[in-house]
Amino acid sequence: KQEVTQIPAALSVPEGENLVLNCSFTDSAIYNLQWFRQDPGKGLTSLLLIQSSQREQTSGRLNASLDKSSGRSTLYIAASQPGDSATYLCAVRPYNFNKFYFGSGTKLNVKP
Amino acid sequence: SAVISQKPSRDICQRGTSLTIQCQVDSQVTMMFWYRQQPGQSLTLIATANQGSEATYESGFVIDKFPISRPNLTFSTLTVSNMSPEDSSIYLCSGGTSGDTQYFGPGTRLTVL
Repeated sequence: KQEVTQIPAALSVPEGENLVLNCSFTDSAIYNLQWFRQDPGKGLTSLLLIQSSQREQTSGRLNASLDKSSGRSTLYIAASQPGDSATYLCAVRPYNFNKFYFGSGTKLNVKP
Repeated sequence: SAVISQKPSRDICQRGTSLTIQCQVDSQVTMMFWYRQQPGQSLTLIATANQGSEATYESGFVIDKFPISRPNLTFSTLTVSNMSPEDSSIYLCSGGTSGDTQYFGPGTRLTVL
């Protein structure tokens, strides 16, 4: 069974800092990996989707990378802002299953 | 992209009653899922909602407790039956096409007294 781990569980940084969130998974046979953001009491907002054949995806100040062989993905946030404060979750979809396995999330606090 | 709405957004229910949550997608999607998120926790998959057939449940979840319907490619319902305080949680539906981005609804916050 696929297991997804996110480190750190919580992170507090000053505004303007560049930061990296980590996601690791145990089975490299994945179809895709997706990063989400969740604000308190809200649903999930999709940030980036990386297909298994891709190495990275970029959207604005966000860059997600994927290394299937090592079972890792990182989400890089440049020039962090207080509005980036949220919980960030990664989810992987295995090749043979139409479902997604979620990590436990990283709670990010960007201090003004 | 897809926009997903859920009704109700929140509810407070009495023990032993049932609540049906609706999930509506603004476009046809091949996959729809129901998740539960307990306070401070990540998402736990309840089941995959299959169009025109019985849902596929994850370990620990059963049809009698969480009956699911999916009559077409844009709509699904989840019923939480015979509720207890342990069912207090946020229930989320998601949808997407195979290999594509998964989109989530805003969630239904359920409190059982």
